Amino acid sequence: GAVVSQHPSWVICKSGTSVKIECRSLDFQATTMFWYRQFPKQSLMLMATSNEGSKATYEQGVEKDKFLINHASLTLSTLTVTSAHPEDSSFYICSATSGRSYEQYFGPGTRLTVT
Amino acid sequence: GESVGLHLPTLSVQEGDNSIINCAYSNSASDYFIWYKQESGKGPQFIIDIRSNMDKRQGQRVTVLLNKTVKHLSLQIAATQPGDSAVYFCAETPSQGTYKYIFGTGTRLKVLA
Repeated sequence: GAVVSQHPSWVICKSGTSVKIECRSLDFQATTMFWYRQFPKQSLMLMATSNEGSKATYEQGVEKDKFLINHASLTLSTLTVTSAHPEDSSFYICSATSGRSYEQYFGPGTRLTVT
Repeated sequence: GESVGLHLPTLSVQEGDNSIINCAYSNSASDYFIWYKQESGKGPQFIIDIRSNMDKRQGQRVTVLLNKTVKHLSLQIAATQPGDSAVYFCAETPSQGTYKYIFGTGTRLKVLA
């Protein structure tokens, strides 16, 4: 149980375009979802916290107009990287919690490469 | 600011030996601590967790120790196997009532045959 999926697993896009990444909780309802970014050989950096039906809370230094987060249902959150640039190339990971415990369930990640 | 850090970026261990991965945290109000394992190109995989009202918790081949006095967390892996090779992260929830995690910098564990 407690499986989180992400789609796509990898994506290549051209500079200036937008790309959407989906995060789904497959067998539980996720009251809260989190989006992380991870650069090579670095730790996970929290970008934003997303609660179903409300606006996401962004961490300091994360541009909310560039990284659009939508959490429209209890099983789906999306991250849209708008006007992507090569420096946005990274590994994006989502996680979800059911709210019954502190444990976050992580997705497999999405590798974004902006050319 | 708040931070969770690791002392050793890389740890090499002989197969069959025990591994100890350390983590220091700075927020004395942190309530929950977790260890994750991450293999290359994959998402983090839960290993073990511990609440702040405990000082030790054991799982299968793994033990987490929490020393709140010195704000130190460790992960012990018994009889380390090649499949244990990965990057290990500690994480904390900075305060009660929040599900947000702060991750440490990570330690790469290399198991030598």
